Amino acid sequence: DAGITQSPRHKVTETGTPVTLRCHQTENHRYMYWYRQDPGHGLRLIHYSYGVKDTDKGEVSDGYSVSRSKTEDFLLTLESATSSQTSVYFCAISVGGRLDTQYFGPGTRLTVL
Amino acid sequence: DQQVKQNSPSLSVQEGRISILNCDYTNSMFDYFLWYKKYPAEGPTFLISISSIKDKNEDGRFTVFLNKSAKHLSLHIVPSQPGDSAVYFCAADAGGATNKLIFGTGTLLAVQP
Repeated sequence: DAGITQSPRHKVTETGTPVTLRCHQTENHRYMYWYRQDPGHGLRLIHYSYGVKDTDKGEVSDGYSVSRSKTEDFLLTLESATSSQTSVYFCAISVGGRLDTQYFGPGTRLTVL
Repeated sequence: DQQVKQNSPSLSVQEGRISILNCDYTNSMFDYFLWYKKYPAEGPTFLISISSIKDKNEDGRFTVFLNKSAKHLSLHIVPSQPGDSAVYFCAADAGGATNKLIFGTGTLLAVQP
């Protein structure tokens, strides 16, 4: 158990509504990541953070924003959810640096109707 | 363009036999590779990794082979067990200190009793 929780675990929302997903870690790791998993695409990086208030974009960042005000929490926000954002979202953490390993949370299944 | 490719969406093997999962990559600058296993409704779990300074890494029933000239790696599971049935993702470290990973699309392994 890598000490990562995600909330909520499941959410159904409607198109156009804002949604915030939370990732919480107890490991005090510097790096945190948000991925989405879709059939035929594997896991794709949305945004990542390399410290409090330090974030950067990943491969599929359009339509998403993130915030990290505390080491332990990394929030992913969909400002106006669309059906194309229906997916399973995973948070990951790592110490960082070369040859390091990322550890994943249990995931959040989001459905946008 | 997929930089990490898993061309077999699924694989079925008999219990006790060898499972071989394959992964190809396109960027010769990738120098660290990881395999993750994922059960339904759970997050990916780290399985085994290999650095480009090695061509083989072994951990119990799991062995990863790296062929840098062919830009190919494979995961061998011997002997395969029904509990190994899961989706397996290959990932490459994109380089730099941020430890960003690029994932393949996954291979669903089914181990038949």
